[in-house]
Amino acid sequence: KQEVTQIPAALSVPEGENLVLNCSFTDSAIYNLQWFRQDPGKGLTSLLLIQSSQREQTSGRLNASLDKSSGRSTLYIAASQPGDSATYLCAVPSAGYQKVTFGIGTKLQVIP
Amino acid sequence: GAVVSQHPSRVICKSGTSVKIECRSLDFQATTMFWYRQFPKQSLMLMATSNEGSKATYEQGVEKDKFLINHASLTLSTLTVTSAHPEDSSFYICSPRGSDQETQYFGPGTRLLVL
Repeated sequence: KQEVTQIPAALSVPEGENLVLNCSFTDSAIYNLQWFRQDPGKGLTSLLLIQSSQREQTSGRLNASLDKSSGRSTLYIAASQPGDSATYLCAVPSAGYQKVTFGIGTKLQVIP
Repeated sequence: GAVVSQHPSRVICKSGTSVKIECRSLDFQATTMFWYRQFPKQSLMLMATSNEGSKATYEQGVEKDKFLINHASLTLSTLTVTSAHPEDSSFYICSPRGSDQETQYFGPGTRLLVL
C-alpha cells in the first residue's frame, strides 16, 4: 500500500525567501508524481507533473524534482510571494494509474 | 487545462436527507471518474472509481449504498449522499480522466454540511 508523507506540515516564511517542500513515498512503482496547490475551501490546482522517467520539471518560480529510487520529490519555490500562501499537496498515481495517493499537504504562509 | 465543474459548490442539509452532487467535464470526455472526500486537516481520500457505463468500485470503508455514483455519460457523473448524517460533512471533489490523459484534473469541490 502506497503511503505518501509530506514534510513539513506547516511552514511560515518572509516574502522573498526561497523554500523547499518535501514529499516521500513508499512504493517506487509510480506512474508519475504531481504537485498541487489548494486554497482554503477550494479545489486543487495542478502545478507540476513529473513523469516517472523524468528527474525534474520547472514552471516559472517552481521547480519539482523526483528521485524515484529513494522515493522522494521536492518542490522548490523561488522568491516566495504572499500569493503563494496555500496548502501544497503531492499526489502519486499507482503504476497502473488506478489509484492516486495524496500526502496530507504542507500549509505554506508567506508573510509580506 | 481541462475544465471541470461541480454543482452545488456548497450545500447545507438536514440529517436524513439526500444530496446529489454533479460533476461535469466541459471540454473532454471523462472515461474514468474518481470521487474524493477531504475531512478538515486531512488529505484527500479516494472514495470510489467509476468508468463510464459501468458500476463504481468503492474503496474499503466506503458504503456503496450510501454513496451512490452514476457515471452514465462521458461528461457527467453524480454522487448522491443518501440519508446524510453530520459525520458525512466533508469536502467532496470529483476528478475526471480521459482515456489518453496523464494529468489528473479536479473539480472545484462541494462543501457539504449536514446539520
